[in-house]
Amino acid sequence: EVQLLQSGGDLVQPGGSLRLSCAASGFTFSNYAMTWVRQAPGKGLEWVSTISGSGGYTFYADSVKGRFTISRDNSKNTLFLQLNSLRAEDTAVYYCAKGINVDYGNWFDSWGQGTLVTVSS
Amino acid sequence: EIVMTHSPATLSLSPGERATPSCRASQSVSTNLAWYQQKPGQAPRLLIYGASTRATGVPARFSGSGSGTEFTLTISSLQSEDFAVYYCQQYNNWPYTFGQGTKLEIK
Repeated sequence: EVQLLQSGGDLVQPGGSLRLSCAASGFTFSNYAMTWVRQAPGKGLEWVSTISGSGGYTFYADSVKGRFTISRDNSKNTLFLQLNSLRAEDTAVYYCAKGINVDYGNWFDSWGQGTLVTVSS
Repeated sequence: EIVMTHSPATLSLSPGERATPSCRASQSVSTNLAWYQQKPGQAPRLLIYGASTRATGVPARFSGSGSGTEFTLTISSLQSEDFAVYYCQQYNNWPYTFGQGTKLEIK
């Protein structure tokens, strides 16, 4: 059974940093692209970033480019999202999601439970 | 970026009725479209990919249709557990984009 267990959400001040983690099990982690999707309170889903199975390709939404960094440790079956220069509009529940192929992910067939990031002074 | 637009924003129906929320893309996405269901406090759940292929474990009352810019999710006979928010997502172009969702509520 695929499981994605997230951690790292917290309350952080504007301009601060945070690192989110997503521990994967139940599948061959390096064979699949992984993605972060966020959802602001009461709002819809927003794609944030995708990383290929090898980690060689990364893609970012314009809203986070230059501030967020996606990475993965295939030896530890773990996905990361480093959030820097945080803004109030980054406040959201962040989900990690498993793609269906190694390069781009396409659609997402399994999701983590979500972790809340709140940016406020 | 491709903008995905749902209609209607809210759909009020009774159990047993048929639901047909729609999703329109601002430019063609071929059949590179997925549908997700999200209930309050839960992560999204994949329902449909490739515009019309049901994901594993999804009941047969859910079906998807469309190509290009116009897509429809059909729930043939609503069950109580189907009242939720439904999102479409295109994966034809970067950035991947979601619609704002259709909320399916009990009438």
